[in-house]
Amino acid sequence: NAGVTQTPKFQVLKTGQSMTLQCAQDMNHEYMSWYRQDPGMGLRLIHYSVGAGITDQGEVPNGYNVSRSTTEDFPLRLLSAAPSQTSVYFCASSSGQSYGYTFGSGTRLTVV
Amino acid sequence: GNSVTQMEGPVTLSEEAFLTINCTYTATGYPSLFWYVQYPGEGLQLLLKATKADDKGSNKGFEATYRKETTSFHLEKGSVQVSDSAVYFCALSDRDGGATNKLIFGTGTLLAVQP
Repeated sequence: NAGVTQTPKFQVLKTGQSMTLQCAQDMNHEYMSWYRQDPGMGLRLIHYSVGAGITDQGEVPNGYNVSRSTTEDFPLRLLSAAPSQTSVYFCASSSGQSYGYTFGSGTRLTVV
Repeated sequence: GNSVTQMEGPVTLSEEAFLTINCTYTATGYPSLFWYVQYPGEGLQLLLKATKADDKGSNKGFEATYRKETTSFHLEKGSVQVSDSAVYFCALSDRDGGATNKLIFGTGTLLAVQP
């Protein structure tokens, strides 16, 4: 059982470039979320989804887009990368409020 | 809005010492509460959870009790080991008026256990 799979694990981008961080889960979970982790700031919610075709903004959505065309996949798009988006990104999925989230292993992104 | 506040670290303990990491929350509904652990270079793992008032979550010797009257969910362990060195995150999931299941985190507490 793969759980939550994130690709790539590492990425270096130049300012202004765009890219997509991939996230896939094989647990048939309804809920999926994207977080960024920065030193001293914990994990901040970027976007989340309560099911296929339904997404909403989290705490820090600016500069990021998401879509949820299937239950399994929840890609995160950086439209025009900025150095402030240098961070570790985590994708997570959940079957409901009482169960918590299962996290992927993360993508370490550096924008130069 | 919903929020989680946890004690700042780092917390440095000797092996076999007693651990407490404080966590308090603010929520508008009936949240579920969680502790996650992150080992160096890894993702987050669910350590324990509690879904209603007075519930006690436990796992691997760690415990936390959901206290609605004090809006707290403090993490405790009676005897820590070097292998417990990690960052610990308190989190809540609230319905936020609907079926959103948004997970909100505290800033994390670094625990370093010395032999």
